[in-house]
Amino acid sequence: KQEVTQIPAALSVPEGENLVLNCSFTDSAIYNLQWFRQDPGKGLTSLLLIQSSQREQTSGRLNASLDKSSGRSTLYIAASQPGDSATYLCAVPLDQTGANNLFFGTGTRLTVIP
Amino acid sequence: EAGVTQFPSHSVIEKGQTVTLRCDPISGHDNLYWYRRVMGKEIKFLLHFVKESKQDESGMPNNRFLAERTGGTYSTLKVQPAELEDSGVYFCASSLTTYNEQFFGPGTRLTVL
Repeated sequence: KQEVTQIPAALSVPEGENLVLNCSFTDSAIYNLQWFRQDPGKGLTSLLLIQSSQREQTSGRLNASLDKSSGRSTLYIAASQPGDSATYLCAVPLDQTGANNLFFGTGTRLTVIP
Repeated sequence: EAGVTQFPSHSVIEKGQTVTLRCDPISGHDNLYWYRRVMGKEIKFLLHFVKESKQDESGMPNNRFLAERTGGTYSTLKVQPAELEDSGVYFCASSLTTYNEQFFGPGTRLTVL
C-alpha cells in the first residue's frame, strides 16, 4: 500500500521568498508524480507531472524534483507571491499495468504574506 | 477547451435518501476517475473507467455506491441510501491515456444530514 506524506502541513512566508515543499512516498514503484494546487472551495489544478525517468520538471517559477529511489519529491517555488497562497498536494500512482489511481498526501497549506 | 465539469456543485440530503453526481470529462479523454475527500482526510481514489469499462473499482467503499459511464462519455456516481459518513467532496478527473496527467473537476460537496 502506498502512503504519501507532506511536510510541513502549513507554511507562512513573506512575499518574495523562495520556498520548498516536501513530499515523501513509501513505495518507490511509481511511474510518475504529480503536483497540484487547490484553492479554497475549488478543484485541483495540475501544476507539474514528473515521469519516473526524469529527475526534475520546471514550469515558470515552479521546479519539481523527483528522487524515486529515496521516495522523495520537492516543489520549489521561486520569488513567492500572494497569489501562490493555496494548498499544495502531491500524488503518486502505483506502477501497476493499467492502473492509474492516485495516492494523495494531506497537503501543505501555503500562505504568502504581502 | 472546456475542462472537467461536475454537477451539482453542492448537494444536501437526508440520511437514507439517494443522490446522483455527474461528471463530464474533457472531450476525447477515455480515462475517467472518481475520488473523494472526507473531512480532515486525504483525497482517496474510488474508481477508474476506461471508456465505458470499469478498470479498477477497488476504492469503492461499499455496495451503496454505483458508478456508471454509459457510452464512454459522462459518468454518474449514485449513492443509495446515503449515510452520514458519505459526506465529503467528490472529485472527478480525466486523462487522455491511462498514464497521462489527470485533470480534475471542481468537485461536488455532499452533505448528508
